Amino acid sequence: DTGVSQNPRHKITKRGQNVTFRCDPISEHNRLYWYRQTLGQGPEFLTYFQNEAQLEKSRLLSDRFSAERPKGSFSTLEIQRTEQGDSAMYLCASSLGGWSEPGTDTQYFGPGTRLTVL
Amino acid sequence: AQTVTQSQPEMSVQEAETVTLSCTYDTSESNYYLFWYKQPPSRQMILVIRQEAYKQQNATENRFSVNFQKAAKSFSLKISDSQLGDTAMYFCAFTYPGGSQGNLIFGKGTKLSVKP
Repeated sequence: DTGVSQNPRHKITKRGQNVTFRCDPISEHNRLYWYRQTLGQGPEFLTYFQNEAQLEKSRLLSDRFSAERPKGSFSTLEIQRTEQGDSAMYLCASSLGGWSEPGTDTQYFGPGTRLTVL
Repeated sequence: AQTVTQSQPEMSVQEAETVTLSCTYDTSESNYYLFWYKQPPSRQMILVIRQEAYKQQNATENRFSVNFQKAAKSFSLKISDSQLGDTAMYFCAFTYPGGSQGNLIFGKGTKLSVKP
């Protein structure tokens, strides 16, 4: 069990550029979540995958944001035409799932990707 | 809508002493789960403790214990024998079964400093 990993750990980009982040969940975890954390705040939910299906998206996820989880393994989060307001820590979490309902199992977090938009 | 409130933005405690972090929540759900997560400076968030609402017994994990008061919708974290490594942001979080989400709802966090 190597834990949830995220890459890159830091990303600095200019406004208007596209960026993509990757999350590798704990193996055999079929649930994967993306959260955004701004300075001095708790994480806020962005989107949720069960296996390869994206089942829920927050209203925070504007049309510039897209997430995928091909084959139910790793996930990517892409932000197009970045804005300064996108600067934040982007956290990925995974949970085992299985027969349990969403919201009953424990989520384990990765180290996050810190995005700075200049 | 579910909300989580942590009313103490910052706290400090002397090493080896006991400190209690407060958390209140609001929900109309009867079955739910509460968590405390710890986020050390520049390090990833890790689970401290988990409480199922249907369990009356308060959860404990070594030096960490909770005081879960369901009627009052209160979920405080007690850290005994505080250590320097306990210095971190502590987040209270809530989730509940049903629907297709299962996402955690977090409070704004409490910054705990343990002083030697």
